[in-house]
Amino acid sequence: EPEVTQTPSHQVTQMGQEVILRCVPISNHLYFYWYRQILGQKVEFLVSFYNNEISEKSEIFDDQFSVERPDGSNFTLKIRSTKLEDSAMYFCASSRGGPNTGELFFGEGSRLTVL
Amino acid sequence: AQSVTQLGSHVSVSEGALVLLRCNYSSSVPPYLFWYVQYPNQGLQLLLKYTTGATLVKGINGFEAEFKKSETSFHLTKPSAHMSDAAEYFCAVSSTSGTYKYIFGTGTRLKVLA
Repeated sequence: EPEVTQTPSHQVTQMGQEVILRCVPISNHLYFYWYRQILGQKVEFLVSFYNNEISEKSEIFDDQFSVERPDGSNFTLKIRSTKLEDSAMYFCASSRGGPNTGELFFGEGSRLTVL
Repeated sequence: AQSVTQLGSHVSVSEGALVLLRCNYSSSVPPYLFWYVQYPNQGLQLLLKYTTGATLVKGINGFEAEFKKSETSFHLTKPSAHMSDAAEYFCAVSSTSGTYKYIFGTGTRLKVLA
């Protein structure tokens, strides 16, 4: 069964360093998303991406964050200069149509720890 | 603005007992509603969804949920809990009017007692 894959599964970084989290969405999906979950808290929307541009972003997704689909398969989240409060589980998701047509398929997450 | 409220951050049930996890939503337009499950150290897996049509929806692992517009609720139930049901459960809402995001509730951790 097709699945969303994310790498790395866990990354530890120093505050101020750049981090890139990678995702391979399901191959025939067109919409891509990043969510994050701070330990013990709810899953929060960061950004959605369609047709090579951001469709929607939350207030969390500030100038430190960027997303890119550098080729036909990868979808990346870059955090330019990490802060302690960026420590969280980051989930990538994809969908065939927009969110009003069905479900999002989530990856297993990338745990980011900022020291 | 849409929102989701899950009553009870922790719920404990005995094995074989009824599972009831509560979810209430707020939406100015007819919503799409979802329940996701997260097992320890894993991602989010869709349990079931309501988009249109029948208000009682059945999902995987014996779970079901009923969309009640008058109560703005979408509670998740399972007649008989199994030890393997222990996990965190998230209710989510998606607008039907153009937004690209799901709004998740704060989650309910289900503990199943032997």
